Amino acid sequence: DSGVTQTPKHLITATGQRVTLRCSPRSGDLSVYWYQQSLDQGLQFLIQYYNGEERAKGNILERFSAQQFPDLHSELNLSSLELGDSALYFCASSVDETSSKGQYFGPGTRLTVT
Amino acid sequence: AQTVTQSQPEMSVQEAETVTLSCTYDTSESDYYLFWYKQPPSRQMILVIRQEAYKQQNATENRFSVNFQKAAKSFSLKISDSQLGDAAMYFCAYRSVRNTPLVFGKGTRLSVIA
Repeated sequence: DSGVTQTPKHLITATGQRVTLRCSPRSGDLSVYWYQQSLDQGLQFLIQYYNGEERAKGNILERFSAQQFPDLHSELNLSSLELGDSALYFCASSVDETSSKGQYFGPGTRLTVT
Repeated sequence: AQTVTQSQPEMSVQEAETVTLSCTYDTSESDYYLFWYKQPPSRQMILVIRQEAYKQQNATENRFSVNFQKAAKSFSLKISDSQLGDAAMYFCAYRSVRNTPLVFGKGTRLSVIA
C-alpha cells in the first residue's frame, strides 16, 4: 500500500458525459501528479500540483481540468468524454517538487467510456 | 525533451535465475533521477529502485540492483533469484531535477517460468 488513495476504482460512463476522479496523497506529501495510462500511448503525464498551485502541464486535453484543495486532495475532471478517453488514470504524490525519493502511485481509476 | 527507451517488449526468466532489463535514455542534463517501477496484474505502480545521477555507486534493493552507466545513458535493472511474484510489467522512468514529472519508457513485460 503506497498510502495514496484514489476513488472510484472503476467508472463506466457514456460519451459526452463528465466525471470527476479523486485522489488523496500520502500523509505529508505536498505534490500531486496525474498520469494517464492507455494501451497505445503508454504512461503519460497530465498535470502536477504543489500545495494547491498548478506547477506543470503535460499532454492534458482542454476538456480535462484539475485542482488541488487546501487539504491537499486533488480532483481530475474529465468532460465531453470520448471513447479514446478510456484509460487507467493514476494519481501519484511526492513530498515535494525536488525529492529524489520518487513518486508514489495510487491504485488508479479505470475509466471506460461507452 | 527527454526520452526513455526500453528495447525489450517482453522477456522471460526461469524461477531462481537472474534477468536483466534494459533501459536507455536521452537527455542533455547532467543531474537527474532514474527509477524502475513494477506494474503487476493488479495494475498498481510500485517503485522498485531509484538512482541519483550524481552518485556513481549503483543502487541496490534486496534482489534488485541497477547498472547505471551515465556516459552511455544506460540504466538496466537486474533481478536476482527471480520469483513468481516478480512477473509484471517493468517501467523505466526519468525525472529531471528541475522538472518533476516522470518520463516513462514503454515497458518490458517479464514472465517468470516455474
